[in-house]
Amino acid sequence: NAGVTQTPKFRILKIGQSMTLQCTQDMNHNYMYWYRQDPGMGLKLIYYSVGAGITDKGEVPNGYNVSRSTTEDFPLRLELAAPSQTSVYFCASGRQGGTQYFGPGTRLLVL
Amino acid sequence: AQSVTQLGSHVSVSEGALVLLRCNYSSSVPPYLFWYVQYPNQGLQLLLKYTSAATLVKGINGFEAEFKKSETSFHLTKPSAHMSDAAEYFCAVSYSAYSGGGADGLTFGKGTHLIIQP
Repeated sequence: NAGVTQTPKFRILKIGQSMTLQCTQDMNHNYMYWYRQDPGMGLKLIYYSVGAGITDKGEVPNGYNVSRSTTEDFPLRLELAAPSQTSVYFCASGRQGGTQYFGPGTRLLVL
Repeated sequence: AQSVTQLGSHVSVSEGALVLLRCNYSSSVPPYLFWYVQYPNQGLQLLLKYTSAATLVKGINGFEAEFKKSETSFHLTKPSAHMSDAAEYFCAVSYSAYSGGGADGLTFGKGTHLIIQP
């Protein structure tokens, strides 16, 4: 199993550009999550999904959108990139019961 | 709202010494508690978790943590530090116990950077 994979690993965006961060898991997990990690701040939940077709906002959803058309994929969309979205983004997946498995992360720099 | 506090953004210990990383949580209901480790430029890896079974939880790489309800704490310990333990450690909490845990994500502390002195 590859586990949770994320692409790209690193990206530089200009202010106002848009992009999609890809996340795929091959563990047949129902639950998937997007977090952002800022220096000294831990991880904060952006969006989560409990199954295909179901998504919900986390603590910091503004400026982001998600979709969950399949069990495996959970892409995160940035429509109008802003410098405040410079961060490291982690996707995670899991089953009911709490353990989450994290991807390697995507580093995003917005200039 | 749930919260997690990790005391000390940086902790430095000598190789072979005891490692103690502190975590306190706020809760009015039984929580699920986790410790994750993050090595440089990598994702997070689960060290151990508490899910209302035994209060002393053993994890990978010789780490363990004890759930103390009276102190609302879940401190992480390791008897003897190794150079390979140098990393960022995160304590996290989930209050979805009644729905099985984890459905609505984890709340993380700010992390503790563990430095191992040779």
